[in-house]
Amino acid sequence: DIVMTQSPESLAVSLGERATINCKSSQSVLKNSNNKNSLAWYQQKPGQPPKLLIYWASTRASGVPDRFSGGGSGTDFTLTITSLQAEDVAVYYCQQYSNTLTFGGGTKVEIK
Amino acid sequence: EVQLLESGGGLVQPGGSLRLSCATSGFTFSSYAMSWVRQAPGKGLEWVSGIGASGVSTYYAGAVKGRFTISKDKSNNTLYLQMTSLRAEDTAIYYCAKDLAEIGGPHPWDSWGQGTLVTVSS
Repeated sequence: DIVMTQSPESLAVSLGERATINCKSSQSVLKNSNNKNSLAWYQQKPGQPPKLLIYWASTRASGVPDRFSGGGSGTDFTLTITSLQAEDVAVYYCQQYSNTLTFGGGTKVEIK
Repeated sequence: EVQLLESGGGLVQPGGSLRLSCATSGFTFSSYAMSWVRQAPGKGLEWVSGIGASGVSTYYAGAVKGRFTISKDKSNNTLYLQMTSLRAEDTAIYYCAKDLAEIGGPHPWDSWGQGTLVTVSS
């Protein structure tokens, strides 16, 4: 199985500042058939199910604010939240869907 | 509006069985692959099992293969997870989730239920 490693485990950012989360896969998640990376990001707030934010590494899901952006390719990916808002406090997970679906360990984002 | 509603969780003894259900509405159930994802208390997310749109193809994580069975009932738009030989490490919130797209795959999940808690303990 592909192992997904996220960093940092937790992150404290001031309101309005930028938050960056990293995700590294143990092997490439590039899908040859469409030349896209099979990498998604989810947001999970306490007591709620996860919510899809980003797929194909950089495509925002429906209704997701544009302060959330995804980047990277191959084995190294990032989720960036520009101008952190109070409602962005959550745990964020990366997931690869190239083969057997696996998640990173999660990154907890808090307000400094 | 897509809705997914899990049920069937509860307390079960080690070695016991449980069947989870996920009632769906708001989309064409027979056109989408579905999955079960679990989350142990205070822990991260773990994919458990998936089923293709038609219900023919099924997939399992190694930790549950041979013990869990996923199925779809298109007559009532419901997804199931039959769990047998349950272990303490199966204790988790179990979510059902709908694939983002109808064709191709695998895909991430764009709709999730609220989850049902399974506790395996004597």
